[in-house]
Amino acid sequence: GESVGLHLPTLSVQEGDNSIINCAYSNSASDYFIWYKQESGKGPQFIIDIRSNMDKRQGQRVTVLLNKTVKHLSLQIAATQPGDSAVYFCAENRRRGSNYKLTFGKGTLLTVNP
Amino acid sequence: DAGVTQSPTHLIKTRGQQVTLRCSPKSGHDTVSWYQQALGQGPQFIFQYYEEEERQRGNFPDRFSGHQFPNYSSELNVNALLLGDSALYLCASSLLRSANEQYFGPGTRLTVT
Repeated sequence: GESVGLHLPTLSVQEGDNSIINCAYSNSASDYFIWYKQESGKGPQFIIDIRSNMDKRQGQRVTVLLNKTVKHLSLQIAATQPGDSAVYFCAENRRRGSNYKLTFGKGTLLTVNP
Repeated sequence: DAGVTQSPTHLIKTRGQQVTLRCSPKSGHDTVSWYQQALGQGPQFIFQYYEEEERQRGNFPDRFSGHQFPNYSSELNVNALLLGDSALYLCASSLLRSANEQYFGPGTRLTVT
């Protein structure tokens, strides 16, 4: 079965608040963890990734935290905007030589209320 | 610079038929991956093509096959369609060395009746 899953299927926040989307994984052999955003009618869009030997990585308004002890990944979005409303997927990347495979979780629907 | 394009946008087929979906990768990308996304689910990896060869495959039956052309474009073929094959089929392109940052197309919505 899947090794990447999410705690909550939906999350509703007020515009301007910070959002935290969580993800649990079971495979310690993953090389990278990645967050994707999928808006309605579109394909997923890369947000940020983190190497498995890191604890934290920051991007523009987003921060990903990796807790390998409890196999937990989170995406924090600062000052959430209506345009952030989408489904967010965590994914893991396992490399075997020059080959790789992305495994996606089920996704969390983020709704930003004005 | 065009992103990833897929055709057709929508497709309706009957059980037992065969279907071919097409994908043109983002300019400069050498790797194409195909995913199946059922409603309300995350994308499921079907297979990956690089240098015109299938390099990695997910847990999909042999009814699912593909091809990559010298210009890096790709096709996904599904034979003997089942009702359960109804889904959004996503193509993603990347550079092999930057596998995490895949660029997805808008997908082809396949409905099998």
